[in-house]
Amino acid sequence: DQQVKQNSPSLSVQEGRISILNCDYTNSMFDYFLWYKKYPAEGPTFLISISSIKDKNEDGRFTVFLNKSAKHLSLHIVPSQPGDSAVYFCAASMSGGSNYKLTFGKGTLLTVNP
Amino acid sequence: DTEVTQTPKHLVMGMTNKKSLKCEQHMGHRAMYWYKQKAKKPPELMFVYSYEKLSINESVPSRFSPECPNSSLLNLHLHALQPEDSALYLCASSQEQVGYTFGSGTRLTVV
Repeated sequence: DQQVKQNSPSLSVQEGRISILNCDYTNSMFDYFLWYKKYPAEGPTFLISISSIKDKNEDGRFTVFLNKSAKHLSLHIVPSQPGDSAVYFCAASMSGGSNYKLTFGKGTLLTVNP
Repeated sequence: DTEVTQTPKHLVMGMTNKKSLKCEQHMGHRAMYWYKQKAKKPPELMFVYSYEKLSINESVPSRFSPECPNSSLLNLHLHALQPEDSALYLCASSQEQVGYTFGSGTRLTVV
C-alpha cells in the first residue's frame, strides 16, 4: 500500500513560470514532510520541509503548503529556472522514538524549458 | 561539516566477491540509514541505526550486513550478491526528524 503518492510522473513548465508539484498521503500519523530534488546517479538533495503544526513554509523560491484535512501537500517553485529540472520526491515521517524512517513518493520529473 | 560522505562512488563486483560500502558524517547525528534505489523508483529503506545500535532491518537478505563502528561511521558489507542487487545505495543521517541528509550514493553493479 503506497502511503505517499505523487500522481504526476512528470511536469513541464516554461522558465519564469510557477511549478506546482503535488503529493498526497494516507497515513494520518505522518507529522513531518520533506521535499527532495534528485539528479540521476546522485543522492537526494534536501529542499524544504514542513511540520504538521504549520500550513506553509517558505524558503526563497520554494514554498511548501500543507493541507492536513485533505492529507495533501504541494511544492511551489517561483520563478522556475532550467536548473530546477530534476526528479522531485515528496517524503513523510512520523515522530516517536529515535528513528525517523522516510517514506517516499514515486517522484515527479520536472522539466523547465528555456 | 554538513555532509554525508559515501565511498566508493562506483563499485563493480562479481557474485562471489566480498566488498564494503562506507558512510561518514560529522554532524553529530544519532540516526544513520541505508537506503537502496533502483532506477526510476523512490529510495527504499534497508537499515536504521540509532545510537550505534541496529533498530530497523526492513527484511533485508543476509547477504547485506550493516555495521556501525562508531557514531560517525556506517558500513554496509556485501557478500554473494546477485545481479538484481545492482542499484544506487544511499546513506543518510538525521537528528530526530530534522536535518535528514543523504550522501551522494554508491552506484553498485553486480556482474
